[in-house]
Amino acid sequence: EAQVTQNPRYLITVTGKKLTVTCSQNMNHEYMSWYRQDPGLGLRQIYYSMNVEVTDKGDVPEGYKVSRKEKRNFPLILESPSPNQTSLYFCASRTTYEQYFGPGTRLTVT
Amino acid sequence: DQQVKQNSPSLSVQEGRISILNCDYTNSMFDYFLWYKKYPAEGPTFLISISSIKDKNEDGRFTVFLNKSAKHLSLHIVPSQPGDSAVYFCAASVYGGSQGNLIFGKGTKLSVKP
Repeated sequence: EAQVTQNPRYLITVTGKKLTVTCSQNMNHEYMSWYRQDPGLGLRQIYYSMNVEVTDKGDVPEGYKVSRKEKRNFPLILESPSPNQTSLYFCASRTTYEQYFGPGTRLTVT
Repeated sequence: DQQVKQNSPSLSVQEGRISILNCDYTNSMFDYFLWYKKYPAEGPTFLISISSIKDKNEDGRFTVFLNKSAKHLSLHIVPSQPGDSAVYFCAASVYGGSQGNLIFGKGTKLSVKP
């Protein structure tokens, strides 16, 4: 089954404690990205990657890092999380015409 | 500055009637448009898309209309069903563009009442 998986699905952490949200896709897509969804703001892109070892900033990259060492994986790293990064995060991978989303990770930073 | 705008945060429709969700865009370079549906606790799922060379695309109960001169697209759901209650996101992209990313609107929450 074609899918994008994310882990963990839910995470509560404290300010400053480094965390990683993993993302994996099994569709051999070159293009992957991370979004955050906040009330009233819709989906905003954090980072994207057009291929292995190629990453670039989206609209809201501050406070985040990513890496793309393999085609299937695109982890999102928060080196020092802050409360304003409390949000719902989605990983996605795409073809030219369609984008597939993961189930989401709800992150709370206290 | 928002390039893709969904000006109605919410819409309520009676079951069996038509739901019309609207989306406006400002970037004339956009040439591919998509609609996504999102249920709570799930990721957005692709619903329907349209290329700028068309003005209409239909898939079952869902039809997307594109008016390039007005930079406006709309999603029609006929007939609406309670299971259609979800948040709908409009998205746009420039095919073959250097970034290739999708620009999303803020979403419209559709409620279909039995």
